[in-house]
Amino acid sequence: GNSVTQMEGPVTLSEEAFLTINCTYTATGYPSLFWYVQYPGEGLQLLLKATKADDKGSNKGFEATYRKETTSFHLEKGSVQVSDSAVYFCALSLNTGTASKLTFGTGTRLQVTL
Amino acid sequence: DAGITQSPRYKITETGRQVTLMCHQTWSHSYMFWYRQDLGHGLRLIYYSAAADITDKGEVPDGYVVSRSKTENFPLTLESATRSQTSVYFCASKRGQVTDTQYFGPGTRLTVL
Repeated sequence: GNSVTQMEGPVTLSEEAFLTINCTYTATGYPSLFWYVQYPGEGLQLLLKATKADDKGSNKGFEATYRKETTSFHLEKGSVQVSDSAVYFCALSLNTGTASKLTFGTGTRLQVTL
Repeated sequence: DAGITQSPRYKITETGRQVTLMCHQTWSHSYMFWYRQDLGHGLRLIYYSAAADITDKGEVPDGYVVSRSKTENFPLTLESATRSQTSVYFCASKRGQVTDTQYFGPGTRLTVL
């Protein structure tokens, strides 16, 4: 079946540090890949996405590149801020008949300190 | 206001009671989804709907019932709540393409005593 594996958290970084959150996937076919972010007490919101191999999604200083050869979609940011503290979810979507469902990883909590 | 809303935001109930969680979206999106979020499991899909009157089971449908008589509403009912259904529930909607963004509601925190 389809699955997404994320690195275990929590990840604790100092402000301005470099961030990497690893994400790998298993899928039959060619999925679209997403990163969602969940701030405390809120629902999930899309951070970025990539729909085909070698695509790079980017938003708010975050980037992720769709690597088909390594089945990965790692999230990176060059300089994190305290306001980036949140839970980050990697997800994939496959077009399977009438459905286009998201399969999520378990989430990685990021805590950024001053 | 436009968007996706859920009600109630918080609910406490007792084992065996029926509970309905409401979800409403104003975009006329075709697809709607219900997820539950539990520590260590991420988000798991309960039910989804591709259009009015079309629903299908997700990963964890047992103990839940859904209906979708109107495009904009997608209520989730726990017919006889159990403690294991204590969770945060998120509704989401999207248009029809696989690459389209899913938009999430703010969530309902349900506690079953």
